[in-house]
Amino acid sequence: DQQVKQNSPSLSVQEGRISILNCDYTNSMFDYFLWYKKYPAEGPTFLISISSIKDKNEDGRFTVFLNKSAKHLSLHIVPSQPGDSAVYFCAASAPYNTDKLIFGTGTRLQVFP
Amino acid sequence: DTAVSQTPKYLVTQMGNDKSIKCEQNLGHDTMYWYKQDSKKFLKIMFSYNNKELIINETVPNRFSPKSPDKAHLNLHINSLELGDSAVYFCASSHRGQEAKNIQYFGAGTRLSVL
Repeated sequence: DQQVKQNSPSLSVQEGRISILNCDYTNSMFDYFLWYKKYPAEGPTFLISISSIKDKNEDGRFTVFLNKSAKHLSLHIVPSQPGDSAVYFCAASAPYNTDKLIFGTGTRLQVFP
Repeated sequence: DTAVSQTPKYLVTQMGNDKSIKCEQNLGHDTMYWYKQDSKKFLKIMFSYNNKELIINETVPNRFSPKSPDKAHLNLHINSLELGDSAVYFCASSHRGQEAKNIQYFGAGTRLSVL
C-alpha cells in the first residue's frame, strides 16, 4: 500500500532546460510535503518543502507546486544543471503523525550538457 | 564535522550473526530515526525516538532493537541476521519545532550485506 508514488523512475533533461519531477499521493490527510535529493553513497538531503495551506513554494532554482484536489505535487528545477543529477524523493506526513515521513520510490534525474 | 554520522559505512557478515550500527547527531535535535532502503530503493521508516523515548515502531521483526542512550545517539542492534536484512540503513534526526513540521536530516547510510 504505497501512499506516495513517483511513477517516473528516471528523467533525462538537457542542461539549461526545465526539469519537472512528479509525485502523487493517496492519503488526503497528508498536510506537509518534502523533496529530498540523493547522490550515490550519500544520504538524502533536504531540498524544499510545502505545507498544504500553500500551492507553491519557491527557493532559488527550485519550485514545488501542490495540487491538493489532484493529490499531486511537482518539483520544477530551472535552469537544470549537471550537478542536479541525482535521485529525487518526495515525502509526505500527516498532522496526526508528523514524525513519520512516507517516501516515494524516487526519480533518477540526469542532466546532460 | 558531519551533522549525522553513522558507523560503519559498510558491513558484511554471515547469516545468524549479531551486529550493531551506531548513529550520532551533533545538530542538537531531539528526535532520531532509523530507515531501511531495500533493493527496490524504497525508503521506509523503522523506528523513531524522541528524547530517548520510542515513538514510532513500525512492523519490524523483533530481531531489530534500537537503543538511545541519549538524545544525540540512536544505535540499531540486529540479532540473528538473515539474507533479507541486506539493505542500506539510514539514520536521521530532526527537531520538533513549534509548527511541528518535520525536516529530517540523514546520515550517509550503512550498507549491510548478509551472506
